[in-house]
Amino acid sequence: AQSVAQPEDQVNVAEGNPLTVKCTYSVSGNPYLFWYVQYPNRGLQFLLKYITGDNLVKGSYGFEAEFNKSQTSFHLKKPSALVSDSALYFCAVRDGGGADGLTFGKGTHLIIQP
Amino acid sequence: GAGVSQSPSNKVTEKGKDVELRCDPISGHTALYWYRQSLGQGLEFLIYFQGNSAPDKSGLPSDRFSAERTGGSVSTLTIQRTQQEDSAVYLCASSPTGTPGHSGNTIYFGEGSWLTVV
Repeated sequence: AQSVAQPEDQVNVAEGNPLTVKCTYSVSGNPYLFWYVQYPNRGLQFLLKYITGDNLVKGSYGFEAEFNKSQTSFHLKKPSALVSDSALYFCAVRDGGGADGLTFGKGTHLIIQP
Repeated sequence: GAGVSQSPSNKVTEKGKDVELRCDPISGHTALYWYRQSLGQGLEFLIYFQGNSAPDKSGLPSDRFSAERTGGSVSTLTIQRTQQEDSAVYLCASSPTGTPGHSGNTIYFGEGSWLTVV
């Protein structure tokens, strides 16, 4: 079985400050990890993914995420937050050896304060 | 089209009525997924189609829910005798393939069908 935990329901960050949205995962095989963003009344947009290679993955809108195998984490980061980054963020995992769809975390509301 | 297309975008229906939600995946994508997102909740997996294989229906919450995919492309999610707890956003997604060894393929989502049962 595969699972994802996003321990924070909401993260508040001042504009211009760095932001981190936390994600931990559990899979039996190699993890394939994804971040998606959902703006109000919209579907999910793909941000970035880790499959293999460098532990630091860069994605859309200046976001990046760091894969840490020993801590089974895949935290989303951005050096300088924008008010427009305010949205709902989902972490997702897939077992690299399986044929299952993505398993999503419950989501984290990111609020960037001007 | 360029992305996953879903219709209707919004649907209000009376309790007890049947509804059909349509999904047109990205051209060439063999894998198609349906998820449900209830207010304030995360994403709940419903059903998964991969090519001509039998679908994975393990996430369907009750026998009132069914889905089909005709010709390996368009999919329809049907909810019979709708209940108020069925009110949610129904998200469709597709990816190039869902078979082992290709699990790294990105899954792309549509804008969702917002269902309200009154």
